[in-house]
This record gives sequence, structure tokens and C-alpha cells, in this order.
Amino acid sequence: AQTVTQSQPEMSVQEAETVTLSCTYDTSENNYYLFWYKQPPSRQMILVIRQEAYKQQNATENRFSVNFQKAAKSFSLKISDSQLGDTAMYFCAFGETGAGSYQLTFGKGTKLSVIP
Amino acid sequence: NAGVTQTPKFRILKIGQSMTLQCTQDMNHNYMYWYRQDPGMGLKLIYYSVGAGITDKGEVPNGYNVSRSTTEDFPLRLELAAPSQTSVYFCASSLPRTGGPEQYFGPGTRLTVT
Repeated sequence: AQTVTQSQPEMSVQEAETVTLSCTYDTSENNYYLFWYKQPPSRQMILVIRQEAYKQQNATENRFSVNFQKAAKSFSLKISDSQLGDTAMYFCAFGETGAGSYQLTFGKGTKLSVIP
Repeated sequence: NAGVTQTPKFRILKIGQSMTLQCTQDMNHNYMYWYRQDPGMGLKLIYYSVGAGITDKGEVPNGYNVSRSTTEDFPLRLELAAPSQTSVYFCASSLPRTGGPEQYFGPGTRLTVT
């Protein structure tokens, strides 16, 4: 079974600064997806970014980018120019591919606070 | 396009009562999921469905039942509610064959069992 570990329960960053959230995972699969989801106080789960394991290029979405190290099974999220609206819980998730449930395995989350 | 909708948003149950959490999606997604989120934890899969008429257990299915009679709807039934079922429940859907395995979530239902 896959496991996802987020080792930073809480983090804070000054507005306009850059912050990196860590995620490691364990799997024996070779093809899979990785995701970062954001959960603001509204409780809605919002997809931030996704990475396909077969792609070497790191995914980027505006101010959000990832550092995907497949051999190290590491998938960190970098938020640049942090904004107050980035304050949220961030969950790393692993998604299997191929036949089956396509279920996601989530980490326990990192609570990010952006300080004005 | 409403995406994934859930009702109710909040509910308080007494121990032993039953209820159904409703979930509907209008994206024609064939896969649907139910998760629970306990305080300070990530999401854990309760049940999932790969299409109408097909359901299967996830990591924490005990105390719950599901059905999938249509593509759009995936209700979650709680029988004999217990305090351990106090949680936030999320429904999600995906279209993995063409849209990738990312899941789209509803707004959640906060359930308290006292």
C-alpha cells in the first residue's frame, strides 16, 4: 500500500516571500500521479497542481511549482510571492494509474499561514 | 455547471439514528468516492464506485453503506450512528480514462454524533 508523509504539520511565511512544503511517498509502482490540494478555511478541497511520474519536467501553475524527485520519492511544493489567500491546509496526494479504483492516498497535511 | 454538490452542509445526529448524505455530480464522471476527514488528519476513503451499479469498499467502510443507481448520484448511508462517525465527509468524482486521476471534491458535510 502506498503511504504519503508530510513532515511539517505547520508552517508560516511572510507575505510576498517564498515557502516550500515537503512531501515524501512510498510506492512500488512506476507509473503514478502526484497532487497538491489546498483546503482553505471554507473546507473546499481545491486542486493546486499535478505531476505525472513519467514526466521529468516539474509542473508549474502560476506561482505554484513542484520539485519532483522520483528516485528519492519526494514531491515538494513551492509557493512564490505568497499571498494572504494562500493561507490554508495543503495536502499531498498519491494517485495510482492503470486498472482499479484510481483512489488517492493523502498525507496528513501542512497548515500554512501567510503573515501580513 | 455545479460540479460536485453535497447535502446537507451540517448535521447533528443522536447515537443510533440513521441518515443519508447526498452527493451529485454533473460532469458525467464515472468514478465517485466518499472520504471522511477527522481533525488533524488527511482524507480516508470509505467507499468508491467505478460506474452505475458498481461499488467497492475503501479503507474505512465499517458503519456505512453506499449505492450507485445513476451516474450522477452516489449517496452514503449511515446506519446506527456512533460518536466515532463524527467527521467531515467529502464526496469526489473523477474521469480517469480521459481526464486523468485527479478528483474533484464537493464542499463537504460536517456531521456530529452525540
